[in-house]
Amino acid sequence: GAVVSQHPSWVICKSGTSVKIECRSLDFQATTMFWYRQFPKQSLMLMATSNEGSKATYEQGVEKDKFLINHASLTLSTLTVTSAHPEDSSFYICSAESGNGGDEQFFGPGTRLTVL
Amino acid sequence: GQQVMQIPQYQHVQEGEDFTTYCNSSTTLSNIQWYKQRPGGHPVFLIQLVKSGEVKKQKRLTFQFGEAKKNSSLHITATQTTDVGTYFCAGQEGAQKLVFGQGTRLTINP
Repeated sequence: GAVVSQHPSWVICKSGTSVKIECRSLDFQATTMFWYRQFPKQSLMLMATSNEGSKATYEQGVEKDKFLINHASLTLSTLTVTSAHPEDSSFYICSAESGNGGDEQFFGPGTRLTVL
Repeated sequence: GQQVMQIPQYQHVQEGEDFTTYCNSSTTLSNIQWYKQRPGGHPVFLIQLVKSGEVKKQKRLTFQFGEAKKNSSLHITATQTTDVGTYFCAGQEGAQKLVFGQGTRLTINP
């Protein structure tokens, strides 16, 4: 149980285009999902907390107009990187709490974004 | 704000040697979690510690939570090549967000 999927697993796009990443909880309902960014050989940086049916809570320094988050249902959250630039190239990972009352997070497989 | 420091950043051992990574928080935590991330993979939850002084074991892995609930350690006995990866601690203060340490990357010489 507690499986989180993410799509796509990798994407290459041209500078200026927008990219949407989907995060799904497959066998549980996730009221809250989290979006992280990870640079090579570095730790996970929380970008935002995605709440179903309400606006996401962004961490300091993360542009909400640049990284659009939509948590449309209890099993789906999306992150859209708008007008992507090469510096946005990174590994984006979503996670969700298990929903059984525990605090542990279950991570999706991640999306490798490369902006040319 | 809350900070979680983890040391060492890198550790290279011979297969069969022990390995320990340490985690320190600037604030008292309600719980601490440990994750493992294999090269090219995503973090996978290992364990959560909640009680002061708690010790939990998973086969060759021993996890400790300090008495003051501000530090934790992960010890691996007799490492195997399958233990390769980056180990992250992540601390949580009440209902606050989970804050990850920088991670310790473990490499093993077979």
